[in-house]
Amino acid sequence: DVKVTQSSRYLVKRTGEKVFLECVQDMDHENMFWYRQDPGLGLRLIYFSYDVKMKEKGDIPEGYSVSREKKERFSLILESASTNQTSMYLCASSLRDSWYNSPLHFGNGTRLTVT
Amino acid sequence: RKEVEQDPGPFNVPEGATVAFNCTYSNSASQSFFWYRQDCRKEPKLLMSVYSSGNEDGRFTAQLNRASQYISLLIRDSKLSDSATYLCAVNRDGGFKTIFGAGTRLFVKA
Repeated sequence: DVKVTQSSRYLVKRTGEKVFLECVQDMDHENMFWYRQDPGLGLRLIYFSYDVKMKEKGDIPEGYSVSREKKERFSLILESASTNQTSMYLCASSLRDSWYNSPLHFGNGTRLTVT
Repeated sequence: RKEVEQDPGPFNVPEGATVAFNCTYSNSASQSFFWYRQDCRKEPKLLMSVYSSGNEDGRFTAQLNRASQYISLLIRDSKLSDSATYLCAVNRDGGFKTIFGAGTRLFVKA
């Protein structure tokens, strides 16, 4: 079974802090993704990566950056946290071999609160 | 207008009922389609992929209508354990972007 692990379940940070969210997957998936989920808005794609050191912007990349130095690890960085970044953050991975029809496997999420 | 739209519900149905959810998408270049299930305070999990010819998995049936750009999910003989939020999702941009609807909440009551 695919396991996607996010380093923290709950996180509270102050405005202006630099925040790191870590995600590790153990199934050798090429593709990794960061989403945020907000009530009424659903899941929105922040960034994704299809290979080590590769990154692509999703639909809402502003205020975020990412790092993928190893295949199994994909980090989301909030350079200067703001209150409107309070949200549930979900990491996901998928296979590239069947990219066309490959479902996402999600971690259990990090609930970030910025005060 | 959102790219993927769903009726947020909630749908309240008795056990044993049949319930159907629809989802519309606006990008005609969307390539593949899915239904995910999300329990309260949990991550989404794949329920089923949706194929052009329609497909069934036990009590669940998914349909795709490309001409009208909608997908549907039918749940027969609802169980209490089916209570969850159902998210439809579409892949585009070479399969690298999966866009989700906001979800439809289902409550199944005894």
